[in-house]
Amino acid sequence: KNQVEQSPQSLIILEGKNCTLQCNYTVSPFSNLRWYKQDTGRGPVSLTIMTFSENTKSNGRYTATLDADTKQSSLHITASQLSDSASYICVVSDRGSTLGRLYFGRGTQLTVWP
Amino acid sequence: EADIYQTPRYLVIGTGKKITLECSQTMGHDKMYWYQQDPGMELHLIHYSYGVNSTEKGDLSSESTVSRIRTEHFPLTLESARPSHTSQYLCASSDRDRFSYEQYFGPGTRLTVT
Repeated sequence: KNQVEQSPQSLIILEGKNCTLQCNYTVSPFSNLRWYKQDTGRGPVSLTIMTFSENTKSNGRYTATLDADTKQSSLHITASQLSDSASYICVVSDRGSTLGRLYFGRGTQLTVWP
Repeated sequence: EADIYQTPRYLVIGTGKKITLECSQTMGHDKMYWYQQDPGMELHLIHYSYGVNSTEKGDLSSESTVSRIRTEHFPLTLESARPSHTSQYLCASSDRDRFSYEQYFGPGTRLTVT
C-alpha cells in the first residue's frame, strides 16, 4: 500500500533555532517528492520538488534531502522565523499514471515561538 | 503565487441546502483537482479532470459532483448538504508536464454544515 508517514506530528521551537522534519514513504514506482508549506486556513504552497536522482535541494532557508534507496526525505529549516509556523506536508508522486497520482502525509505542525 | 481562486472562503449553511463551491484558474492548466481535508489529516482526492468535459471520481467517496465546461472553471456542487460534509475543500490545478505534475492550490473553502 502506498503511504507517506511524517514525523514528528508536531514541533515547537524557539525563533532562530534550526529544525528537521522527517518523511518516510512506500510509494512505488516513485516519480518525485515534494515538500509543501500550508499556513492555517490556506492552501499548500510548494517549497521543493525532487526526482529520484536528486539528493538535496534548497529554497532559501529550507533544504530538503532525499534518499531514494531508503525511501526517506527530510526538510531542514535554518534560523527559524515566526512566519515559519505552519504545517509542512510531504507529498510523493508515482509514475504509474498520466494523472500523476499524489500521496500526502498528514503533515508536521511547526510552531515557532519568539 | 499561483493564479487559482476559490469562493467562498468560508461558508456556514444549514442541512439540506444545495451549495456550489467555485474554483477558477488563469494559468490555462488542463488538469484540475478537488481535495477534502479535515484538521490534522492528509488531503484526500475527491474529484479530478483531465480537461474540458472530463471528470473523474477520486479515491475518497464523495456525494459531491463536479463539472468542467470551461478550462478555467471547475465548480463542485453538493445537492443536499449534511453535517458530515463539514470540512475544508481545496482546489488545485497542474500543467502539462507529465513528470513534475506541479500542483498549484487555491486558498480553500472552509465549509460548515449545521
